Amino acid sequence: SQTIHQWPATLVQPVGSPLSLECTVEGTSNPNLYWYRQAAGRGLQLLFYSVGIGQISSEVPQNLSASRPQDRQFILSSKKLLLSDSGFYLCAWASRTSSGNTIYFGEGSWLTVV
Amino acid sequence: DQQVKQNSPSLSVQEGRISILNCDYTNSMFDYFLWYKKYPAEGPTFLISISSIKDKNEDGRFTVFLNKSAKHLSLHIVPSQPGDSAVYFCAASGPYSSASKIIFGSGTRLSIRP
Repeated sequence: SQTIHQWPATLVQPVGSPLSLECTVEGTSNPNLYWYRQAAGRGLQLLFYSVGIGQISSEVPQNLSASRPQDRQFILSSKKLLLSDSGFYLCAWASRTSSGNTIYFGEGSWLTVV
Repeated sequence: DQQVKQNSPSLSVQEGRISILNCDYTNSMFDYFLWYKKYPAEGPTFLISISSIKDKNEDGRFTVFLNKSAKHLSLHIVPSQPGDSAVYFCAASGPYSSASKIIFGSGTRLSIRP
């Protein structure tokens, strides 16, 4: 069966420091991969998605970037964090069916920028 | 521009009664719709989906209805149980190349009261 893991689960970072959140998927090949963010009291905002190695689509202009160095690895990064980057970050992978893509989420990572 | 809208931020329902969660979308190219349930500090879990070729899909206590002409979908939970208290998100994706992009609504917090 497929599993998805992301880490770290929580982190507190000072403004201006770098960020790296990592996500890996097991039990599937060539998945679509996603990064979403849920800010406090807000919905799920799509940040990036990837349909293959090295292929990244960005949904919103921001202080973050994403990379997919391997088929089942997706990394969210920032060179200099802002206070507004605080939130709950979710990695997800998509199972493709004839009807559409159903996505499955990881456990989430709480980021607090201080 | 919010393409997927959940206009009710919260809903309170008595245990044993029916819970009806609503969702509207603006993009007529969306053809696959999903509902997710989310507890605090956890990743959302997939509940049920529906393709645009159907107007109803049922799975146990959960039924999703799709009204394409109104660009509206709803999730019915019956009977409602205490464990159903959570935030519910609807999501949508489009055909072909845009099928990879899955857009979420802002969520509705469902509270089941005894």
